[in-house]
Amino acid sequence: AQKITQTQPGMFVQEKEAVTLDCTYDTSDPSYGLFWYKQPSSGEMIFLIYQGSYDQQNATEGRYSLNFQKARKSANLVISASQLGDSAMYFCAMREAGSGSARQLTFGSGTQLTVLP
Amino acid sequence: DSGVTQTPKHLITATGQRVTLRCSPRSGDLSVYWYQQSLDQGLQFLIQYYNGEERAKGNILERFSAQQFPDLHSELNLSSLELGDSALYFCASSRGQGSPYEQYFGPGTRLTVT
Repeated sequence: AQKITQTQPGMFVQEKEAVTLDCTYDTSDPSYGLFWYKQPSSGEMIFLIYQGSYDQQNATEGRYSLNFQKARKSANLVISASQLGDSAMYFCAMREAGSGSARQLTFGSGTQLTVLP
Repeated sequence: DSGVTQTPKHLITATGQRVTLRCSPRSGDLSVYWYQQSLDQGLQFLIQYYNGEERAKGNILERFSAQQFPDLHSELNLSSLELGDSALYFCASSRGQGSPYEQYFGPGTRLTVT
């Protein structure tokens, strides 16, 4: 089963509007972390925001916020006041605490966001 | 700039050859992770090192190996290269191992096997 699902292969948003990128996850581990990364066309992976499974409040970082709904196992990224530079591929990722020492990220398939002028 | 450096940026080589990708983590980071990004497989975890020791293995082929040196830089060795190994290889580093240690990615090495 997919651990991270991003159902929107592509999204368009008008400049200055807000946009929500969907992410659902699947885990039986009570302790986990959820991450969003941005990958511009240049290829680098840029860390945006982190949400821990025990965090009581939704994470925010500038124009980025994470809409964390634990019961629904969703961790949607909200970008407010979109800018042309936000056009990129966005990846949702999860790290489970789990047994053993695995601390790697499991990534979704990504959402290509295009901001229109 | 994440502070993670990777060399080379691009690599073009022939099938059957062997290459070494190099990664220097952010200052103070003890964990190094290697990921492969390809069109058909997406982003996949390969292997993790923490303070010189291998800690986790993902979908890493037997033809691939890695190590982390005492100065904490890491190398990923890919041998007997096949066309399907063409991909973007990322190194990431983090301070520790668990949450909330976010991983910071290097710029990647784009490998093309011809």
